[in-house]
Amino acid sequence: GAVVSQHPSRVICKSGTSVKIECRSLDFQATTMFWYRQFPKQSLMLMATSNEGSKATYEQGVEKDKFLINHASLTLSTLTVTSAHPEDSSFYICSARDRQGGVGELFFGEGSRLTVL
Amino acid sequence: GQQVMQIPQYQHVQEGEDFTTYCNSSTTLSNIQWYKQRPGGHPVFLIQLVKSGEVKKQKRLTFQFGEAKKNSSLHITATQTTDVGTYFCARSSGAGGTSYGKLTFGQGTILTVHP
Repeated sequence: GAVVSQHPSRVICKSGTSVKIECRSLDFQATTMFWYRQFPKQSLMLMATSNEGSKATYEQGVEKDKFLINHASLTLSTLTVTSAHPEDSSFYICSARDRQGGVGELFFGEGSRLTVL
Repeated sequence: GQQVMQIPQYQHVQEGEDFTTYCNSSTTLSNIQWYKQRPGGHPVFLIQLVKSGEVKKQKRLTFQFGEAKKNSSLHITATQTTDVGTYFCARSSGAGGTSYGKLTFGQGTILTVHP
């Protein structure tokens, strides 16, 4: 199946700093990528839809100025958590669909575990 | 919102016992997908159901889609320790319920298997 790579897998930062997470589709082009957030033992909550070459679409309650999304190419989307605070600590996962194959399933990156001290 | 309710939240079984998780929607689903997330890992696609009353099997896993396309279930026969993880159902919530819209996930069922 299609492969989505996410980096970094773990990051620890101080409160007030910004953290960038990269999501790459390795063997297919993804015009759309999705960013999810997951707290321990909870479900995946969609944060935003990343659209190549245009602005991201954010879900209700997600601050676009807090979570900056850039989708500059067909294989790369980035999520930047700006001025991170301890409450931003979470597991962030990106995902994408391979429009050329499959049944429309999502392929997920490995996830990035953010810890804000 | 267009949520899917998933139960139970937790399920503890002895190895060899069966396991079932259920998803329910108040509205008709165009399709439903199932994912498995191992502890510390990321979700992995298992299957998609599209047709009313559809039943699909993958070895010890049986997936069903209700006749009204408002509910679905995943049943595991004779669980093994490798079945441990969280099982999620997910519905398309994009416009028109197309396969390429965004997915909304159920709450997930955390399965633990005692050897």
